[in-house]
Amino acid sequence: TQLLEQSPQFLSIQEGENLTVYCNSSSVFSSLQWYRQEPGEGPVLLVTVVTGGEVKKLKRLTFQFGDARKDSSLHITAAQPGDTGLYLCAATDRGSTLGRLYFGRGTQLTVWP
Amino acid sequence: DAGITQSPRHKVTETGTPVTLRCHQTENHRYMYWYRQDPGHGLRLIHYSYGVKDTDKGEVSDGYSVSRSKTEDFLLTLESATSSQTSVYFCAISKAGGTDTQYFGPGTRLTVL
Repeated sequence: TQLLEQSPQFLSIQEGENLTVYCNSSSVFSSLQWYRQEPGEGPVLLVTVVTGGEVKKLKRLTFQFGDARKDSSLHITAAQPGDTGLYLCAATDRGSTLGRLYFGRGTQLTVWP
Repeated sequence: DAGITQSPRHKVTETGTPVTLRCHQTENHRYMYWYRQDPGHGLRLIHYSYGVKDTDKGEVSDGYSVSRSKTEDFLLTLESATSSQTSVYFCAISKAGGTDTQYFGPGTRLTVL
C-alpha cells in the first residue's frame, strides 16, 4: 500500500500552460517535501511545508499543504521546458527524529517547446 | 552541492554474487540513508544510520545489510544478489534527521542478470 498517492502519474503539456500535481494520503504528517529529479541524478529538494494551510512560492512554483496536513499540491504557472522532470512528494512521520521519508510514486512532467 | 559520492555508478552482476555499494560524504552529517528507486514504486527506504555503528531497517530491508564504521562511509551489501534487486540505488545524508533536508547522491544503477 502506497502511503502517498500522487496524481497524475504522467503529464505532457505545451510551454506556457499551467499545471497542478497532487499528493494525497489518509495519514497526517509532520511535514511534507517536494523534490525534483532529472534523469541520471538524485532528487533535489524544492520545498518543505510544515504548517497546515501553508503556501510557499518558488518563482513560478506554488506549493500548498492541506489544512489537515494530509495532502499537498504543486502548481506551476506558465511551464517552461526547463521544468521537465520527475516531481516527487515525500513525508515524514509525526514525531520522527530519524527522518524516515516516505515517497510518492512521482509525476513525470514533460514540457514541450 | 552536498559532498556525496556513490561508487560504483554502474554495475552488472550475476545472480548469487555478493555486491557492495559505497556511499561517501564529506559533510560530516550524522544521518545516512539508502533508498532504491523502481518504476511504479518511487523511492523506498532500505536501511538508515543515525551514527557510527548505529543502523536500522527501512521498509524494504530483506536481502540487504549495511555497515557504518566511519561517519563518512555507509556501505550497502547484497549478500547474494537476485534479479529483483535490479534497481537504482540512492544514498542520502541529513545533518539533523527529523524534517531536516536530505541530500541525495547521484545514484548507482545495478543490474543483476
